[in-house]
Amino acid sequence: EVQLVESGGGLVQPGGSLRLSCAASGIIFSNYWMSWVRQAPGKGLEWVANIKPDGSEKNYVDSVKGRFTISRDNARNSLYLQMNSLRAEDTAAYYCARGSGGYILYWGQGALVTVSS
Amino acid sequence: EIVLTQSPGTLSLSPGERATLSCRASQSVSSTYLAWYQQKPGQAPRLLIYGASSRATGIPDRFSGSGSGTDFTLTISRLEPEDFAVYHCQQYGSSPYTFGQGTKLEIK
Repeated sequence: EVQLVESGGGLVQPGGSLRLSCAASGIIFSNYWMSWVRQAPGKGLEWVANIKPDGSEKNYVDSVKGRFTISRDNARNSLYLQMNSLRAEDTAAYYCARGSGGYILYWGQGALVTVSS
Repeated sequence: EIVLTQSPGTLSLSPGERATLSCRASQSVSSTYLAWYQQKPGQAPRLLIYGASSRATGIPDRFSGSGSGTDFTLTISRLEPEDFAVYHCQQYGSSPYTFGQGTKLEIK
């Protein structure tokens, strides 16, 4: 059974930083592109970033470029999202996701990030 | 970036009825790289359709997808009580991958 378990969410002040982690099991993690997708409260889904299986290619939505960094550790079956210079509009549930050619086949349960003073 | 617009925003129907949900793209989606997801309150989305018309594993055949270019449709042939949820479309033909704003399917 595929499991993606996020951790590291919480309350942070505007301008602060947070690092999300995602532990994967039940898949050969190093074979797959991985993504972060977020959902603001009561809103639709927004693809945030993805990373190639070997980590050599990373893509970001414009609104987080220069502030967020996606990374992975294939030896630990783990995905990360380092979020700096956080803004109120970054408040959302952040889902770790395993893609399959671009669409999302598996989702984590989500980690809630709240940016507020 | 490709903007996806879903309509209607909310669809009110009764169990047993047919549902037709629309997803329109601001530019052509290459190679029909269009997916549909179902999301229930408090849950992560679930993949229903990929490649515009291919059902994901375990998805009942009352769900079907169609379309190409800029116009795509998700059809639920006969609504079951468990089908009332929010539906999202996503294009993955060009980066950044984008989602529509969602259609809420509610019980009439």
